[in-house]
Amino acid sequence: DIQMTQSPSTLSASVGDRVTITCRASQSISTWLAWYQQKPGKAPNLLIHKASSLESAVPSRFRGSGSGTEFTLTISNLQPDDVGTYFCQHYNTYSLTFGGGTKVEIK
Amino acid sequence: QVQLRESGPGLVKPSETLSLTCTVSGDSITNYDYYWGWIRQPPGKGLEWIGSLFYTGSSYYNPSLRSRVSMSVDTSKNQFSLTLTSLTAADTAVYFCARQIFRMIPGRGVVPTYFDSWGQGTLFSVSS
Repeated sequence: DIQMTQSPSTLSASVGDRVTITCRASQSISTWLAWYQQKPGKAPNLLIHKASSLESAVPSRFRGSGSGTEFTLTISNLQPDDVGTYFCQHYNTYSLTFGGGTKVEIK
Repeated sequence: QVQLRESGPGLVKPSETLSLTCTVSGDSITNYDYYWGWIRQPPGKGLEWIGSLFYTGSSYYNPSLRSRVSMSVDTSKNQFSLTLTSLTAADTAVYFCARQIFRMIPGRGVVPTYFDSWGQGTLFSVSS
């Protein structure tokens, strides 16, 4: 199975900051990667698929990049509504795995 | 706008079997554009994919759960279901159902990918 490792596990930043979350795959997954945001007590919400394709209705301050084994999710101009946990998920094969998550907090 | 809603018992005893149902509205489960999947999340932990099902019955399961998992679809009720056997406390989690986009893999056919719509989730506990 392909393992997905996210870092950091927690980050704290100020409103207006730019934050970056990294997701590494244990082997190449091309660009078969999705990102989700999960708010407390809620289901995850799809932000990005195919590493960099932003879902409609997702603010443009979210940006995904990367290919192969290393990927990043960047949030520019961090807003209070961005608080939550972010997960990556590969779909390179039909055995799907998620990263462990990155919790984003506001200072 | 598709909506998914999970239903099932909140509590089951160890060694017993869990059965959960996902009711889909706003889309047909026989829509050939989608797979339908189950994901779980133990309290305070990350997400674990359980399995995915196409309306034709084609399915994929997490290798770590394959021996205990089965999924089925009821097209007449626009529902799909999850069965998980030989339960232990480690199966305690919030269980989500979700709709999945598929893609083509040459030589394999259509396979599940990412989850574009989710149910709200249901907490299920294993305890005696």
